[in-house]
Amino acid sequence: GAVVSQHPSWVICKSGTSVKIECRSLDFQATTMFWYRQFPKQSLMLMATSNEGSKATYEQGVEKDKFLINHASLTLSTLTVTSAHPEDSSFYICSASHSGGLNEQFFGPGTRLTVL
Amino acid sequence: AQSVTQLGSHVSVSEGALVLLRCNYSSSVPPYLFWYVQYPNQGLQLLLKYTSAATLVKGINGFEAEFKKSETSFHLTKPSAHMSDAAEYFCAVSDNAGNMLTFGGGTRLMVKP
Repeated sequence: GAVVSQHPSWVICKSGTSVKIECRSLDFQATTMFWYRQFPKQSLMLMATSNEGSKATYEQGVEKDKFLINHASLTLSTLTVTSAHPEDSSFYICSASHSGGLNEQFFGPGTRLTVL
Repeated sequence: AQSVTQLGSHVSVSEGALVLLRCNYSSSVPPYLFWYVQYPNQGLQLLLKYTSAATLVKGINGFEAEFKKSETSFHLTKPSAHMSDAAEYFCAVSDNAGNMLTFGGGTRLMVKP
């Protein structure tokens, strides 16, 4: 139980294009979803937290207009990197939790974004 | 505010040797503590968690961790390392009020044959 998927697992795009990453909770309803960014050989940095039906809460220094987060249902959240640039290349990981999860987050497998 | 410090960004052990990965935390409220493992190009897998029950927590793959409040530590151990244990390990802390996780910098475990 508590499986989270991400799609795509790897995406390569040209500079200036927008990329959408999906995060799905497959067997539970995710009241809260989190988006993290991980640079090579570094730890995870929380980008934003989203609750279903509400606007996402962004961490300091994260541009909300560049990283658009939508949590339209209890099983799906999307992260759209708008007008991507090479410096946006990174590993993006989502996680999801539910109200009965005792503070446990369930992580997706991650999406590697490479911007040329 | 909460923070996590993992001493040693790289740890190398021989196969069959004891694994000890260090984690110290700072929290103004009773913490929930987690250890995650990450294999290359994959997400995080929960190894074990401390949620104010038993101070010695047993996890998957033979790992365990002991919560020591007096030392503000939650070190991860395994009696005998296996080659398949080579990965990146993250310690994380959250408070009781929500699900916000704060991660340590990670420790890369290398296992020599």
